[in-house]
Amino acid sequence: DSGVTQTPKHLITATGQRVTLRCSPRSGDLSVYWYQQSLDQGLQFLIQYYNGEERAKGNILERFSAQQFPDLHSELNLSSLELGDSALYFCASSVDGTPGHQQYFGPGTRLTVT
Amino acid sequence: GEDVEQSLFLSVREGDSSVINCTYTDSSSTYLYWYKQEPGAGLQLLTYIFSNMDMKQDQRLTVLLNKKDKHLSLRIADTQTGDSAIYFCADSPLNKLIFGAGTRLAVHP
Repeated sequence: DSGVTQTPKHLITATGQRVTLRCSPRSGDLSVYWYQQSLDQGLQFLIQYYNGEERAKGNILERFSAQQFPDLHSELNLSSLELGDSALYFCASSVDGTPGHQQYFGPGTRLTVT
Repeated sequence: GEDVEQSLFLSVREGDSSVINCTYTDSSSTYLYWYKQEPGAGLQLLTYIFSNMDMKQDQRLTVLLNKKDKHLSLRIADTQTGDSAIYFCADSPLNKLIFGAGTRLAVHP
């Protein structure tokens, strides 16, 4: 158990809908990362937050957005969903977001868009 | 651009050593990582190496880094059936992890 929690574990929704994925980092970790794992694209970095502010951005679509709240939990919002958005979405956390500190991964949320 | 490549499959006999190879393009990273993903599970950090090191040993795991060739390898000694998983190499330019496609390790008796 990494200490990072993600909810829900599974999500099934229809095209065009909007969903919110939630992540709680390990106690004491200030930085949160979001990753997408799909068969087509592999494991890709989406976005990073540190203490409530966006720090780095990867291959995140404009239909997707994220935020980190004052209690340090984070949410990833996915809108206008397409079939290709079906994937496993991982959240990871680290102490301060610098490369020297390892990222601990949550169990993931499996999103299925039908 | 940033790219990490690794072979997709490796099959070894139980008790033998496994060597998983990885090449990367971005040489600015301070650390390079190996993660393990078991079926239905998230990623687990196995080990990492600081970019100014050539080798790091951690129990059954040995990481070799050739900075000149941008080549990273993970050796698992005395491979066990419990080592069957997908192994991801990751580069870490700036604040993000760039993953390879993963190497599926199958261990057979």
